[in-house]
Amino acid sequence: GAGVSQSPRYKVAKRGQDVALRCDPISGHVSLFWYQQALGQGPEFLTYFQNEAQLDKSGLPSDRFFAERPEGSVSTLKIQRTQQEDSAVYLCASSSRDDYGYTFGSGTRLTVV
Amino acid sequence: QKEVEQNSGPLSVPEGAIASLNCTYSDRGSQSFFWYRQYSGKSPELIMFIYSNGDKEDGRFTAQLNKASQYVSLLIRDSQPSDSATYLCAVTYTGRRALTFGSGTRLQVQP
Repeated sequence: GAGVSQSPRYKVAKRGQDVALRCDPISGHVSLFWYQQALGQGPEFLTYFQNEAQLDKSGLPSDRFFAERPEGSVSTLKIQRTQQEDSAVYLCASSSRDDYGYTFGSGTRLTVV
Repeated sequence: QKEVEQNSGPLSVPEGAIASLNCTYSDRGSQSFFWYRQYSGKSPELIMFIYSNGDKEDGRFTAQLNKASQYVSLLIRDSQPSDSATYLCAVTYTGRRALTFGSGTRLQVQP
């Protein structure tokens, strides 16, 4: 596609529910990133894939957060047993291998109630 | 703790003026520096990046990097109301692809 596509655009989850957020990167982009952006803050790095390999997951805040990219294209960020502090916009970005300038998707706004 | 600091603003400038946005960083291992613009409710979009000391110009935008003083700045010439947004500074560290962002500076350009 022309840009990074994320779905759903909005998600409301009850505390304790599991959620799955999807990211479809720009075609041909081998690098894929997930960020979390709380209101009024800059994005915070969660994890990075190069193709299907998860090369950096140092930003995942707890073992409730899990990301995968099994075929090196679409990625899913899964949050188990959601908590109120997980409420944020989850941004996915992609880039070519050596290009440091990411293209971000529109994000998924997660609200945990 | 690796940190990127920005004044949250708002920075208010009149239309046509030069807007100057500043960012400091704490880690001398910082490698590349990025400026992103984020409109309210939208995702960040890359304006420009810089990795060598000095100035880099792209249209109305100039990024300035001073590694000795650990700051990077963004100048916007001939500011327009459409430039009103939050400007995010971000850095990468040697060997990592992750970006570390500041909290952003909100810019308001008054018509």
